[in-house]
Amino acid sequence: EIVLTQSPGTLSLSPGERATLSCKASQSVSSNYLAWYQQKPGQAPRLLIHGASSRATGIPDRFSGSGSGTDFTLTISRLEPEDSAVYYCQQFFTSPWTFGQGTKVEIK
Amino acid sequence: QLQVQESGPGLVKPSETLSLTCTVSDGSISSTSYYWGWIRQPPGKGLEWIGSIYYSGSTYYNPSLKSRVTMSVDTSKNQFSLKVTSVTAADTAVYFCARGADYGSGSYDALNIWGQGTMVTVSS
Repeated sequence: EIVLTQSPGTLSLSPGERATLSCKASQSVSSNYLAWYQQKPGQAPRLLIHGASSRATGIPDRFSGSGSGTDFTLTISRLEPEDSAVYYCQQFFTSPWTFGQGTKVEIK
Repeated sequence: QLQVQESGPGLVKPSETLSLTCTVSDGSISSTSYYWGWIRQPPGKGLEWIGSIYYSGSTYYNPSLKSRVTMSVDTSKNQFSLKVTSVTAADTAVYFCARGADYGSGSYDALNIWGQGTMVTVSS
């Protein structure tokens, strides 16, 4: 099973600041099969990034993804208050598909 | 825009079977271009992939749950279903159904359409 480890656990930043979220895989993951989701309290996850770096439909361009192999990054270039949420990475390259434990982004 | 919606009992007794249905609206479940999935989230915890199914009936299960999970598709009702047998308190979670794209030749994409989720509590 591929274990995804996200860091930091919590990120507390001010509006307008840059957020950098890390996702490290225990084995190499094809970039085509690495996604990022945003989940707000009481809501379903929303797909932000697929293929490691492609924004999903309707996702603002302040969200970007990068990385390859075992190291992937989600960057929010200029935080908005509505970006307060938990962010999960997911690999669907190898069964069982797995999610990271999540990074909570708090807006000060 | 296609939508998916989970339904089923909110309370299941220990050792019994959890049964949920996901109804697809404003679109057809009978397409080779998509796969359908179940994911769950225990209260206050992260996401766990349960498994995926194609309209043809092909299934892929998380090995950790495989012995207790069955997924099926009912194309006449535009629905797919999940059954988890011998449930315990550890199966208490919000259960989500979702859809992802399949491009063929072993290529597919992330889950991009999710239901709002349904809370299932296992308790006597």
